[in-house]
Amino acid sequence: VQLKESGPGLVRPSETVSLTCSVSGGSIGANYWSWVRQPPGERLEWIGYVFYTGNTKYNPSFEGRVSISVDASKNQVSLKLTSVTFADTALYYCARARIAYDHFDHWGQGAMVVVSS
Amino acid sequence: TQLTQSPSFLSASVGDRVSITCRASQDINIYLAWYQHKPGEAPQLLIHSASSLESWAPSRFSGSGSGTDFTLTISSLQPEDFATYFCQQVATYPLTFGGGTKVEIK
Repeated sequence: VQLKESGPGLVRPSETVSLTCSVSGGSIGANYWSWVRQPPGERLEWIGYVFYTGNTKYNPSFEGRVSISVDASKNQVSLKLTSVTFADTALYYCARARIAYDHFDHWGQGAMVVVSS
Repeated sequence: TQLTQSPSFLSASVGDRVSITCRASQDINIYLAWYQHKPGEAPQLLIHSASSLESWAPSRFSGSGSGTDFTLTISSLQPEDFATYFCQQVATYPLTFGGGTKVEIK
């Protein structure tokens, strides 16, 4: 299974950033797909997950401005983060877990998002 | 659940035995994973459930601990082991990560 994140690279403050995770070599089905980010010099931060059914769970730190969805027909997982600020500058990863309370057995290489005016 | 990982930086020589610790702010049983991360690559799961070694990982890697205190040990450091290692707890949401340990060549 391979995961590859893609996104705009650069966004302006207050805008919405959209990222896509394309999954190859395996199915979206029956897995939990998470987004994780790492701001420069900081630790990894879990953003949330989507189950293949569309059920989601989010980190309260992002509640209200995050949306994670899945498109099984395209084998893709998407992240939308609204009202971005400079603090949202980070390397964004997608990762897979087989069950809800579980480690991530596959990660992507990450996509950098820079918030700048 | 907060994870405190130490040290944040480790300088060691090939052949050295090194240990990295991860302390949880509350009891997480054995719900802890360790990852290896090299620059520009995807992080790789190294150990799950505190001590279960992934099939790709060499036996020089081992994990131990339960409750709040965990350790990742590399029994004899090899050139390909120079990387950043981080822990993750999967006992409670939100999932959280340790701050990482960068292992560099002395």
